[in-house]
Amino acid sequence: RKEVEQDPGPFNVPEGATVAFNCTYSNSASQSFFWYRQDCRKEPKLLMSVYSSGNEDGRFTAQLNRASQYISLLIRDSKLSDSATYLCVVNILSGNTPLVFGKGTRLSVIA
Amino acid sequence: ETGVTQSPTHLIKTRGQQVTLRCSSQSGHNTVSWYQQALGQGPQFIFQYYREEENGRGNFPPRFSGLQFPNYSSELNVNALELDDSALYLCASSLRTGTGGDTQYFGPGTRLTVL
Repeated sequence: RKEVEQDPGPFNVPEGATVAFNCTYSNSASQSFFWYRQDCRKEPKLLMSVYSSGNEDGRFTAQLNRASQYISLLIRDSKLSDSATYLCVVNILSGNTPLVFGKGTRLSVIA
Repeated sequence: ETGVTQSPTHLIKTRGQQVTLRCSSQSGHNTVSWYQQALGQGPQFIFQYYREEENGRGNFPPRFSGLQFPNYSSELNVNALELDDSALYLCASSLRTGTGGDTQYFGPGTRLTVL
């Protein structure tokens, strides 16, 4: 089982749609959780951290369920500029802190 | 922009050659992590440097090695290049505070092609 698994995608949605990405992680010791966005042939950029209480940033909402080891990202009112690959990332704090990435889910928002 | 820079941006090498990739961390950051991202995959952790010492390593062979300098910049060296080493190599810098949860900021990456 991979450490971080995401919906395989790709997701093709019309502008204005709501889209949800799901992610599961296998290591219960994971402490920090993130969603990164990666545009084609560019570096990953931090979209938002994910907290147990859930957090919202404009059209983006992230949720964490530690009991189920499940993370989600909801994008409301999709824009063309949201087209990118979304990477689910966990961080196991054990002295050294590498980020463990999922494979990513590609989103294409269509006019 | 994150303030993390990498050089070169692109590189073409042949099998068996050696390559050195460079990373300048964001001002004030003391930790550099290197990742390899193959096409269609998420980044995979290679190793991390903190205060000039290797501080964690992923599942990569010894021909992947690195350095961190007193100014916290870093190098990734790969010997005896193989075709499968073709990938985007990402450097991420962060500030280790001891409380954990360091946010890592990525540079633009070096795209290595091995022929």
